[in-house]
Amino acid sequence: DTGVSQDPRHKITKRGQNVTFRCDPISEHNRLYWYRQTLGQGPEFLTYFQNEAQLEKSRLLSDRFSAERPKGSFSTLEIQRTEQGDSAMYLCASSARYEQYFGPGTRLTVT
Amino acid sequence: AQTVTQSQPEMSVQEAETVTLSCTYDTSESNYYLFWYKQPPSRQMILVIRQEAYKQQNATENRFSVNFQKAAKSFSLKISDSQLGDTAMYFCAFMKPGAGGANSKLTFGKGITLSVRP
Repeated sequence: DTGVSQDPRHKITKRGQNVTFRCDPISEHNRLYWYRQTLGQGPEFLTYFQNEAQLEKSRLLSDRFSAERPKGSFSTLEIQRTEQGDSAMYLCASSARYEQYFGPGTRLTVT
Repeated sequence: AQTVTQSQPEMSVQEAETVTLSCTYDTSESNYYLFWYKQPPSRQMILVIRQEAYKQQNATENRFSVNFQKAAKSFSLKISDSQLGDTAMYFCAFMKPGAGGANSKLTFGKGITLSVRP
């Protein structure tokens, strides 16, 4: 399978815990994006990378969120001190040119 | 900042019929891309069709076509010969390219739930 993969697919955590998600993009894609999608809404942009450089970060992203792409390949998104409002689907996408290809997402539930 | 509006929350169509999904957007940019993405229930988002703003010709992909009205900032998706597998949420998205035409972030509408009835 050469598509975008994300791990884990589901995560249930208690409020206040830290969580980390991983995204593996399509291998030849140099751009990688993170989005958040709540139920019944369209995805909202969080941040994106070109190779290992983080080029833009949404103002929606609080200081509790951090993302890395250390070698320009896979990326991690960490949420510290989770809150119930962080419950959402976290989507990763990668691109080479005009089109973004999405992974299956990680569904986070904060209890 | 760009905004994308999908005002129809739900639509239903009979199998084999044609349906049109509406989308409007607001931008001051002249160079941009527009997309329709499909998200089937519990499955990942997939690209349906792409339109470059500088192209006057409407994009077509098999049973899917768009009506791009740049002056009106309208970008509707027409699905012909609807199939049961077309049942999904459909999102309209806008992208302002980065330097050198590079891919950049997408701004999505709220989506529309399309149900195809057998």
